[in-house]
Amino acid sequence: QSALTQPRSVSGSPGQSVTISCTGTSSDVGGYNYVSWYQLHPGKAPKPMIYDVSKRPSGVPDRFSGSKSGNTASLTISGLQAEDEADYYCCSWAGNSLVFGGGTKLTVL
Amino acid sequence: EVQLVESGGGLVQAGGSLRLSCAASGFTFSSYRMHWVRQAPGKGLVWVSLINSDGSTTTYADSVKGRFTISRDNAKNTLYLEMNSLRAEDTAVYYCARDYLGLGVWGQGTLVTVSS
Repeated sequence: QSALTQPRSVSGSPGQSVTISCTGTSSDVGGYNYVSWYQLHPGKAPKPMIYDVSKRPSGVPDRFSGSKSGNTASLTISGLQAEDEADYYCCSWAGNSLVFGGGTKLTVL
Repeated sequence: EVQLVESGGGLVQAGGSLRLSCAASGFTFSSYRMHWVRQAPGKGLVWVSLINSDGSTTTYADSVKGRFTISRDNAKNTLYLEMNSLRAEDTAVYYCARDYLGLGVWGQGTLVTVSS
């Protein structure tokens, strides 16, 4: 049950694109197409942004996209906006449990 | 409106016990697998436990195995987390979440503080 590996921080200017990586193993990220991403603003409940690697819940802008290659999943945010500044966590099914990444702080410059 | 509302958090001494509840509304609770996830102050999200839709299957993170018990009452639309032998490192906001389209619905969380 080791945490998935995410960069501690990423940053970008408004209008730019950023990508957050999430690296696991063949027992989690690489073994299942059940990677999801969550946005956390301080003091608020996590908000689902991506599920099943690349699907967007209703209401999530199409600026948010997800992908996976081997044991690494990625979240790309294009057309950065100020309100995207938040912490982002990836999560993967791991057979009989879930495992989260350590989280990435996105700063919009 | 689909909603999850946690309760039962509070301040407890190390070694003590606490039971969290998660009241579900706006959907057929008995049809969904459910999870508990926690976030310690200044730290990241950590998965704690899951229970399948009828309560027959449960799994736990190694850090809570043997101390925490997840359960549900589908007649009352409520999820529970019984926490025993609490440690300072269990201090966190505890969230319940519905397993559909990822963790598609989350509660607002309930804070558990374990004093040593």
